[in-house]
This record gives sequence, C-alpha cells and structure tokens, in this order.
Amino acid sequence: NAGVMQNPRHLVRRRGQEARLRCSPMKGHSHVYWYRQLPEEGLKFMVYLQKENIIDESGMPKERFSAEFPKEGPSILRIQQVVRGDSAAYFCASSPPPGQGMNTEAFFGQGTRLTVV
Amino acid sequence: AQSVTQLGSHVSVSEGALVLLRCNYSSSVPPYLFWYVQYPNQGLQLLLKYTSAATLVKGINGFEAEFKKSETSFHLTKPSAHMSDAAEYFCAVATGTYKYIFGTGTRLKVLA
Repeated sequence: NAGVMQNPRHLVRRRGQEARLRCSPMKGHSHVYWYRQLPEEGLKFMVYLQKENIIDESGMPKERFSAEFPKEGPSILRIQQVVRGDSAAYFCASSPPPGQGMNTEAFFGQGTRLTVV
Repeated sequence: AQSVTQLGSHVSVSEGALVLLRCNYSSSVPPYLFWYVQYPNQGLQLLLKYTSAATLVKGINGFEAEFKKSETSFHLTKPSAHMSDAAEYFCAVATGTYKYIFGTGTRLKVLA
C-alpha cells in the first residue's frame, strides 16, 4: 500500500513563474491537507480538501495560492507568480474521513521542496 | 485556540543517555497529541499519539510519552539514545478536527 505520494520532490522556479505541486493520497483516503514548512519553523496548516470541495482554506495566503482536489487525479497546490518568500517545503497529508468526535491520524508525504531563485 | 510549545530548539545528548524532549500544549477541550520525527529532507513519520485511551503512550523506536493534564505536558522520552535518533522532532495538537497545530520543532543531536 503506497503512502502519500508527492511530486516533484524538488522544484526550482524563477520569480514570477508558476509552481504546481501534486499530491496523491493513500488508497482509500478522501481527505487531503496541505502544510507549509518555512526554514527553521514548524509546519503551518494551509488548506483542507475533500474530493471536489475546499473545506477549510483559512491558512492559505489570500493571493497567488490555490488548491484543488478533483474527482479524478491528484490534489494540486498551485502558486502563481512565485516570490522568494514562497521557498519552503510543502507537505501533503491524507486521511480517511474523520470519525465523529475523534481526530483521525493523517499520513504525510515526503514533501516538495520549492526553491525560488 | 490550541497551541503547542516545544522548549529547546536544539537538544544534544550522548549516545546511550536519556532523551527528553519537552512539549506543552494549550487547549480548551481534551486534546489529541502527536509526536512526529523528520529526518533530513524527508517527510514526517508518526512516532506516537495520545487519544485519551492511556496517559502513557508507547511508540516506535523505543520512544514513549506521558500525557499530564495537570501540567499540560506531553514530553517525549527514550531511555537510551542511539545515533540513528538524530533528527527533528515535532509535537502537534489536534482537538477532534482535522487541523494539526505543530510546534516549532526540536533538533536532536546524538554525540558519540
């Protein structure tokens, strides 16, 4: 059973370009979460998606960032017109639907390390 | 609101010595608590989790953590450090929802 798959593992973009980060959840998982880890910091929640729905995007920057999780295919985190401050590790996690009153463990991918030059 | 504080961004121990990584949380409702380990350029691997079943939680690689409500703590320990334990460790809290709140991490160095 493959874990959460993220690609690419490393991505280099010039300022102003677009970055597309992909995440395939574990088999049977319908919930995807994106986190960002800035250098020397912990992970910060960005967005929570179910298939074709954004449930919570309270951690997403208001501009340039978007996320989707289509009916078919991986979840995509898209960053338009990247700037140097977007350089970070972006982690995706997936889980089965949270049970009633209980947090379900999320399984993390190995991350995509974005470098903006 | 929930929060996590990890005391000590860097901890060094000798091989064979006790490992103690500190985590204090803040939560207005009973929390779920997690410890994750991250090796260089890798993702996060779950070490252990507390979900109110037992206050002493045993995890992988010989790690364990004790939930102390009175101290709002969930410190991670291992009796004897091994060189392979060198990594960054993150404490996280969640409160029955999907959103994890992570601490800023503690980088563990193991000295030969």
